Amino acid sequence: DAKTTQPTSMDCAEGRAANLPCNHSTISGNEYVYWYRQIHSQGPQYIIHGLKNNETNEMASLIITEDRKSSTLILPHATLRDTAVYYCIVRDRSNSGYALNFGKGTSLLVTP
Amino acid sequence: ETGVTQSPTHLIKTRGQQVTLRCSSQSGHNTVSWYQQALGQGPQFIFQYYREEENGRGNFPPRFSGLQFPNYSSELNVNALELDDSALYLCASSLAWGQTEAFFGQGTRLTVV
Repeated sequence: DAKTTQPTSMDCAEGRAANLPCNHSTISGNEYVYWYRQIHSQGPQYIIHGLKNNETNEMASLIITEDRKSSTLILPHATLRDTAVYYCIVRDRSNSGYALNFGKGTSLLVTP
Repeated sequence: ETGVTQSPTHLIKTRGQQVTLRCSSQSGHNTVSWYQQALGQGPQFIFQYYREEENGRGNFPPRFSGLQFPNYSSELNVNALELDDSALYLCASSLAWGQTEAFFGQGTRLTVV
């Protein structure tokens, strides 16, 4: 699976959009981009995934560049409860199982 | 529907002992994976079970073993505990093999002294 690079930490003011970048320059055609987050002392939570088109759900939007070498997770109106570590994972769904290769992620702090 | 539940929530063991951690998967999910998360690190994949068979394993020694039962619940067993085994152990379940949207439990915090 392709490796991802994320900033170590980011800050965002409450009510503003949080834009979390992820670089995955070695991504292959079969690999999807997944985002999970982990709030302190809890298990990771699935947020969203995509292949090449932009995706949106009730939690977030995922913007993938045309060359698919990078993506951005957007939390449109961040709240204090969005403070968490966000993991960008690239995964080939055709491979066996679903081992998720978490890196160190981005620690997002939402401030009042 | 019930979520993924793990037990116990916290555990303290002595080096050299054995430990069993338990996981009940989300209703209808037939695939269970286990992860180890050391302090300040992302979760690391240990292994996965699908329909009671191990079908994927990460870079963990054989003293890490598991079981999946007919009701899809699962156990993680660790023998000959080492201090470095101290970590949060996470269980994740999925609706079907190959589907990557995984639902995680709250984890078991294991401390080895």
